[in-house]
Amino acid sequence: SYELTQPPSVSVSPGQTARITCSGNAFPKQYAYWYQQKPGQAPVLVIYKDTERPSGIPERFSGSSSGTTVTLTISGVQAEDEADYYCQSADSSGTHYVFGAGTKVTVL
Amino acid sequence: EVQLLESGGGLVQRGGSLRLSCAASGFIFRNYAMSWVRQAPGKGLEWVSSLSGSGVSTYYAESVKGRVTISRDNSKNTLYLQMNSLRADDTAVYYCAKISAAAGIDYWGQGTLVTVSS
Repeated sequence: SYELTQPPSVSVSPGQTARITCSGNAFPKQYAYWYQQKPGQAPVLVIYKDTERPSGIPERFSGSSSGTTVTLTISGVQAEDEADYYCQSADSSGTHYVFGAGTKVTVL
Repeated sequence: EVQLLESGGGLVQRGGSLRLSCAASGFIFRNYAMSWVRQAPGKGLEWVSSLSGSGVSTYYAESVKGRVTISRDNSKNTLYLQMNSLRADDTAVYYCAKISAAAGIDYWGQGTLVTVSS
């Protein structure tokens, strides 16, 4: 089975850069997707296909990939970026999805 | 505007059954695969099941295989999840989600809470 490993938490001061890694043997064969979830709300897609940003998502959110690790970078972090972030991919067939355990981003 | 509205959640006894529904609007429903994703209280996201736009192809997580059935009615723009033999660890908020071939899970509903009592 596929597993995705994320750090449980990341702390960052406003205006600094937050980097959240996600490692797993699904990569690089399968794409990575990133979701932001604020308390009491549904997840929101912030990055798809490793590096693509949906319309309406601020440019400070970016994604990258290197081998079996993908990274979500938030440049110039703002207080409103405090949330849980989940990476997601799929098995080799692309039909069974897997999520990382999530990373809580705290803005100091 | 894409909207996904789940319903059917509630309190059910262990071993019982429940059917969740998701009413979709704002896109051509039959053209898109759909998924259910759940989140236990205070925990992370867990993919539960997906099915193709036609409803022919279905996929299940091992944790629910044999106990849940995903289906859709494209004439009613509605997605379903029939859950049987419910267990305490099925307690979660269940999200309906739209899958885009280009962008993955691009829209989520607000979720419906299922609580399984022992």
